[in-house]
Parts: sequence; C-alpha cells; structure tokens
Amino acid sequence: DAGVIQSPRHEVTEMGQEVTLRCKPISGHDYLFWYRQTMMRGLELLIYFNNNVPIDDSGMPEDRFSAKMPNASFSTLKIQPSEPRDSAVYFCASSEPPGLNNEQFFGPGTRLTVL
Amino acid sequence: GDSVTQMEGPVTLSEEAFLTINCTYTATGYPSLFWYVQYPGEGLQLLLKATKADDKGSNKGFEATYRKETTSFHLEKGSVQVSDSAVYFCALQGANTGNQFYFGTGTSLTVIP
Repeated sequence: DAGVIQSPRHEVTEMGQEVTLRCKPISGHDYLFWYRQTMMRGLELLIYFNNNVPIDDSGMPEDRFSAKMPNASFSTLKIQPSEPRDSAVYFCASSEPPGLNNEQFFGPGTRLTVL
Repeated sequence: GDSVTQMEGPVTLSEEAFLTINCTYTATGYPSLFWYVQYPGEGLQLLLKATKADDKGSNKGFEATYRKETTSFHLEKGSVQVSDSAVYFCALQGANTGNQFYFGTGTSLTVIP
C-alpha cells in the first residue's frame, strides 16, 4: 500500500485566496483525521470522519475552514479566505475500523504558507 | 477530559548517551498509550505502543512501560544515535473516545556526534 497520500506537499498563496488540501487515506481505513501542526500550538486535531461522516469538528478554528469526505478514498480541507496565521503543516491520518489500539497512519503533510 | 503531558524540549544529547522523555497522562478507564516519532520533513510514524497496565512497548532500542499507578509512559533508550534526532510525541487513545488520539506537544531531540 502506498500509505496516506497528501497533495500538494507545499503550497504558497496570498492572503485572501482559497486553498484546498487533499488526502487519500489507506484503503480499508474507516477513520480519517485532519491535523494542523505549528511551532506555537503543536499538533492540533481539526476534524475527523468515520465512514465519510464528520464526527467531531470542534477543532476547526473558524468558519473559514471546511472539510469534506465525498467518498471513502478522498477528503479535502478548504480554507477560504486564507490568512497568514493559517500558515502551518497540515497532516491527514487514517486508521482502521473501531477497536482498541488502532494505529493512526500519517501522510507526509502539506506545508502551507500564506503571504 | 483525556490528555497527555510530556517533557518540554528541546533535548540535546551526545551520541551513546541515555535518553528519557517523560510523559504522563490523564484519562478515565484504561487508555492505550503510544509514542510517535517525526523525522524532519516527514509525517508522524508509530514508534511503540502499550495497551494495558505494566505492558512494555519496544522498538529500535526504545522502550516505554505503561505505569497505571503513576499514570506515566516514559520513553527511554540506553544509547542514542545521531539518526535518532527527531521530534517525539506521546499519545493516548481513550477507552471511550473511539479512534480519537490525544497528542502531547512533542519533544525535539538532537543527538550530536
């Protein structure tokens, strides 16, 4: 398996522009997680899905952020409009169906820079 | 709620030194505990895990023991190498929180030759 795939790996955009980050989870994994990593705040869970349904989006910073999972093999995280404080590394992770001790598999991340 | 607290970094050690990174947790019931490692420019990857009290997880010379009496899961390695330079995250999967993980803030380790 190719692991969790994220695109793009790097994104540089200007304030006010729309940004879309993409994730393909590992096949067969029912859970998908979006995280944001910054020096100041560390690793933050933004939202997670189970069977394509958002379960907990309490970590989404504000209405400018939205996430979708239209099918089991694809998810997007969108920021509109983007702001410089959104600059961070965004990780997608996936895991197998419910049960204790399930490892989360992380993608390589998307490094977002908003100028 | 469930949470983990880990030692602040950064940590700098000489090659072959002994490493300890402290991690304590707060949780109801019997969580599972993990250490993840993040090498520069990469995503997090599982280093080791323990699922019940007194379990010892181990991998690549690293060890951590699930201590319920002290609610701790400290990471140790007897002799670090330059290649161990990375950021280490302690994490908890709650007994009643499905597949949601709670991560610590991460501890940066630099090993110098």
